[in-house]
Amino acid sequence: DAGVTQSPTHLIKTRGQQVTLRCSPKSGHDTVSWYQQALGQGPQFIFQYYEEEERQRGNFPDRFSGHQFPNYSSELNVNALLLGDSALYLCASSRIQGSGEKLFFGSGTQLSVL
Amino acid sequence: QKEVEQNSGPLSVPEGAIASLNCTYSDRGSQSFFWYRQYSGKSPELIMSIYSNGDKEDGRFTAQLNKASQYVSLLIRDSQPSDSATYLCAVTNLKAAGNKLTFGGGTRVLVKP
Repeated sequence: DAGVTQSPTHLIKTRGQQVTLRCSPKSGHDTVSWYQQALGQGPQFIFQYYEEEERQRGNFPDRFSGHQFPNYSSELNVNALLLGDSALYLCASSRIQGSGEKLFFGSGTQLSVL
Repeated sequence: QKEVEQNSGPLSVPEGAIASLNCTYSDRGSQSFFWYRQYSGKSPELIMSIYSNGDKEDGRFTAQLNKASQYVSLLIRDSQPSDSATYLCAVTNLKAAGNKLTFGGGTRVLVKP
């Protein structure tokens, strides 16, 4: 049973560029959440997708957008990259019903903005 | 005031000793509480969840919850060098925010042989 998979594992971009990160949820999960973790800090909630719609959003600017596909996989897009966007981006999946409060994390994408 | 607060550490403990980690939270509506372990450069791994007041034990780990005082703690007994990691406390308020996790900044634990 595959867990949560994320791609790519590492990415280097320059300021002003755009980036797309991808996530496939754990089998049986239909909800995908994205978190940003800056060095030395705890993960911060970006947004959550369920039934192909953004259900909740954290305190992130509109440069951060996402999408969920019919197969429950998801993308995180960041436009006009800033140096401060350098972080580990984590995808987490869950079931919205039942034990949905337990999140399973992928291995993350380390984004470096130069 | 941060929503979830933890001492950043590092918490240095000798091998075989008990490591005690604390976490306080501000949202009284929080219902679910989690401890994640995160090794450097890796993603968080769920090690404990607790939902009601009292203690919950799982192997060498014990989570303690006191909703009246708004704190949750984690004890690691017989600490091993492999326990050296950052421990993240996280809470959810299912009614207000679904299963969105709010994390603390983490406590770095160093277990010295």
